[in-house]
Amino acid sequence: KQEVTQIPAALSVPEGENLVLNCSFTDSAIYNLQWFRQDPGKGLTSLLLIQSSQREQTSGRLNASLDKSSGRSTLYIAASQPGDSATYLCAVRTSGTYKYIFGTGTRLKVLA
Amino acid sequence: DVKVTQSSRYLVKRTGEKVFLECVQDMDHENMFWYRQDPGLGLRLIYFSYDVKMKEKGDIPEGYSVSREKKERFSLILESASTNQTSMYLCASSLDLPPNQPQHFGDGTRLSIL
Repeated sequence: KQEVTQIPAALSVPEGENLVLNCSFTDSAIYNLQWFRQDPGKGLTSLLLIQSSQREQTSGRLNASLDKSSGRSTLYIAASQPGDSATYLCAVRTSGTYKYIFGTGTRLKVLA
Repeated sequence: DVKVTQSSRYLVKRTGEKVFLECVQDMDHENMFWYRQDPGLGLRLIYFSYDVKMKEKGDIPEGYSVSREKKERFSLILESASTNQTSMYLCASSLDLPPNQPQHFGDGTRLSIL
């Protein structure tokens, strides 16, 4: 059974820092891994999707990497800003299923 | 841009009522999903549908049912609402093939059962 873990659960950093969020999963047979952002009381906004055949994806200040063999993904945020404050979730779709399994998220606070 | 629209942002209902949550997507996606999100438990899948009139139970289907009569609309039904169904409900959709497609989410419905 696929399990997804995100560490740390919460993170507080000063503005301008580069930071890394971690996501690990137990079953490496996946179609893709997706990173989301969630603001308080809102839905999920897709940030990046990495297909199983890819090693990384980039969008602006965000870079996500995938190491399937070790069951790990990282989301790198460069030059963090207060507007980056949100909860970040990762989700994997295991091969042969329709289901996406979510981690419980990392709550990020960027201090001005 | 994909748009997934949930009919209500906030909803307050009473115990025992039958509650309908509606979700509409405008991108002809085959797959649609209903999740609930609770603090400390993350997102849990209630039901999903991979085609019109087709549905599969997720991890926590008890107390819920779904309806998908048209491709763009997926409804979640609480047959007899109970206080433990107070939660944030999130709808999502995705293309079916190829299987590496992203999920797109609505803004969520915050449901309170009194």
